[in-house]
Amino acid sequence: AQTVTQSQPEMSVQEAETVTLSCTYDTSENNYYLFWYKQPPSRQMILVIRQEAYKQQNATENRFSVNFQKAAKSFSLKISDSQLGDTAMYFCAFMKRSFGNEKLTFGTGTRLTIIP
Amino acid sequence: GAGVSQSPRYKVAKRGQDVALRCDPISGHVSLFWYQQALGQGPEFLTYFQNEAQLDKSGLPSDRFFAERPEGSVSTLKIQRTQQEDSAVYLCASSSRRLAGGRVHNEQFFGPGTRLTVL
Repeated sequence: AQTVTQSQPEMSVQEAETVTLSCTYDTSENNYYLFWYKQPPSRQMILVIRQEAYKQQNATENRFSVNFQKAAKSFSLKISDSQLGDTAMYFCAFMKRSFGNEKLTFGTGTRLTIIP
Repeated sequence: GAGVSQSPRYKVAKRGQDVALRCDPISGHVSLFWYQQALGQGPEFLTYFQNEAQLDKSGLPSDRFFAERPEGSVSTLKIQRTQQEDSAVYLCASSSRRLAGGRVHNEQFFGPGTRLTVL
C-alpha cells in the first residue's frame, strides 16, 4: 500500500513571495505518477501539476514547479510570485501506473494562506 | 457539460435514512471514481468504475454503501441506514484514460462534491 505524508498542516506567505510545500511518499512501485491538487474554499479540486516517475526532469507549469527526488521519495511544490488566488488547501497525491484502477492516494493537505 | 457535476450539493439526513448522491462525469470519460473527504482530511478512495463495470470497491467502508453506473455515464452512490460517521464530503472524479500526443492522459477531474451531514 502507498502512503503520502504532508508534514506542514498550515503555511502562510506574503504576496509575491515564493513558498515551498513538502510531500513525501512511501511505495514499493517503480512506475507511478505524482500530483499536486489545489482545493480552494469553494471545494472543487483542481489539478496544479503532475510528474511521471520515469521522467528525471522536474515538471513546471507557469509559476508552479516541483522538486522530484525519486530516491528520497520526496515531491515538493514551489509556488513563485505567489498571488492571493493561490490561497487554498493543497494536496499531494500518488497514483500507481496501472491499466486498471488508477485511484489516487492523497496526503492530509497543507492549508496555504497568501497574505496581502 | 464542461465539467463534473454532482447533486445535491448539500444533504442533511437523519440517522437511519437512506441517501443517494449523483455524479455526472465529463462526457466520454471512461473512468469514474468516488472519494470520501472527512473534515480536515484528504480524500479517501471509495470505488472505481471503468465504463459500467465496477472494478474496485475496496474502499467502501461497509455494506451500507453501494455504487452503480448502469449505462457507463452517470453514477449514483447510495448509503443505506446512514450513521453519524458517514458525515463527510463525497467527491466524484472522472478521467479519460486516453493516449494522445505520446502522453497518457489520466488526470482526474473532480466535481464540487456533496456535503452530507447526518444528524
